[in-house]
Amino acid sequence: EDQVTQSPEALRLQEGESSSLNCSYTVSGLRGLFWYRQDPGKGPEFLFTLYSAGEEKEKERLKATLTKKESFLHITAPKPEDSATYLCAVQDYGGSQGNLIFGKGTKLSVKP
Amino acid sequence: DAGVIQSPRHEVTEMGQEVTLRCKPISGHNSLFWYRQTMMRGLELLIYFNNNVPIDDSGMPEDRFSAKMPNASFSTLKIQPSEPRDSAVYFCASSYRAEQYFGPGTRLTVT
Repeated sequence: EDQVTQSPEALRLQEGESSSLNCSYTVSGLRGLFWYRQDPGKGPEFLFTLYSAGEEKEKERLKATLTKKESFLHITAPKPEDSATYLCAVQDYGGSQGNLIFGKGTKLSVKP
Repeated sequence: DAGVIQSPRHEVTEMGQEVTLRCKPISGHNSLFWYRQTMMRGLELLIYFNNNVPIDDSGMPEDRFSAKMPNASFSTLKIQPSEPRDSAVYFCASSYRAEQYFGPGTRLTVT
């Protein structure tokens, strides 16, 4: 069964304190791995798609990386506005096309 | 584009009543997804459509749930009869490639 596990569940950082969020996955064949940001009371906002091990994507203070078993979302010098829940999702070649399996998310709080 | 539009944003109803949630996908997107989000189970796919045709409804919890997509710009998710355990946030998302774009969600409370 496909599984996506995110850690930690919650992370508190001081402004400027860099860190990483982890997403480990178990799928029969990875079609794609997706990172989303979700603010309270809003829908998930698309950030990145990664397709193959070794691939990296960057956007402002965020960088996503992918290995064969996990993905990391690195946050460099975070600001309070980076506070949100970050969701990871995978799409499996073995599953029905379009089906994203989401992790439970990491709730990030950045204090000034 | 205005993004994915969902209505209503909040719905409070009594157990046994029919509930209809509505979604307008982003123009040009050919796939539409309905998700449910709860604290316990996170974000779960209920059903998705491709070119207005239901492709995978294995996530629909039971026969009380039904979804339709009569045209490329409109979809509904109906719960009849509703139960307290249906209380959750329901999201609609659309896509034309791999990335899915989510609407703001409908917060459903069944008392």
